[in-house]
Amino acid sequence: QLQLQESGPGLVKPSETLSLTCTVSGGSISSSSYYWGWIRQPPGKGLEWIGSIYYSGSTYYNPSLKSRVTISVDTSKNQFSLKLSSVTAADTAVYYCARELVGATHDYWGQGTLVTVSS
Amino acid sequence: QSALTQPPSASGSPGQSVTISCTGTSSDVGGYNYVSWYQQHPGKAPKLMIYEVTKRPSGVPDRFSGSKSGNTASLTVSGLQAEDEADYYCSSYAGSNNYRVFGGGTKLTVL
Repeated sequence: QLQLQESGPGLVKPSETLSLTCTVSGGSISSSSYYWGWIRQPPGKGLEWIGSIYYSGSTYYNPSLKSRVTISVDTSKNQFSLKLSSVTAADTAVYYCARELVGATHDYWGQGTLVTVSS
Repeated sequence: QSALTQPPSASGSPGQSVTISCTGTSSDVGGYNYVSWYQQHPGKAPKLMIYEVTKRPSGVPDRFSGSKSGNTASLTVSGLQAEDEADYYCSSYAGSNNYRVFGGGTKLTVL
């Protein structure tokens, strides 16, 4: 059974860089059939797609976040990572990682991790 | 790239059917058969309920069904049960730039 687990600091200061890692177990991140994505959800609000990455390193980002986002993959560790720079309170959210099928369907999700931006 | 439009709320009594709409544009919902629907209970991660407009993942009850007409996709829940009370989100592939876009979510209440 595929499992995804987000990890990283739960508190980030304004203007700093948010860094999260998603560890995939029960399957290979190098499969040619899938993308791997990051989605976030501010408290009490809806879901927002952040970006997606293929095992080869090809990336696609939400245009509203593109200037601040970097997603990378480490196939040797079966992990992919998110960096979001120059964070503000508006970036406070639960951050989810997910496996993505063709057509942008997210079929397996991590449990999510709350990141709070505050000094 | 704008969020897909969903009604903020929907409701129905146990045993009834309810339909939730998801409106986009010809660049996303209307342009591709890649609409997904997710169910989210409080404090939980979203769960895939429908993908590619009409397909159900293994384990999802056939009370859940999806459809699409033009730029609007719909999720129908038949035979409402108490455990169906949750937030529901639609999502679509958004084409040429390989974007993905979510709807704002609909809170389904079982009366």
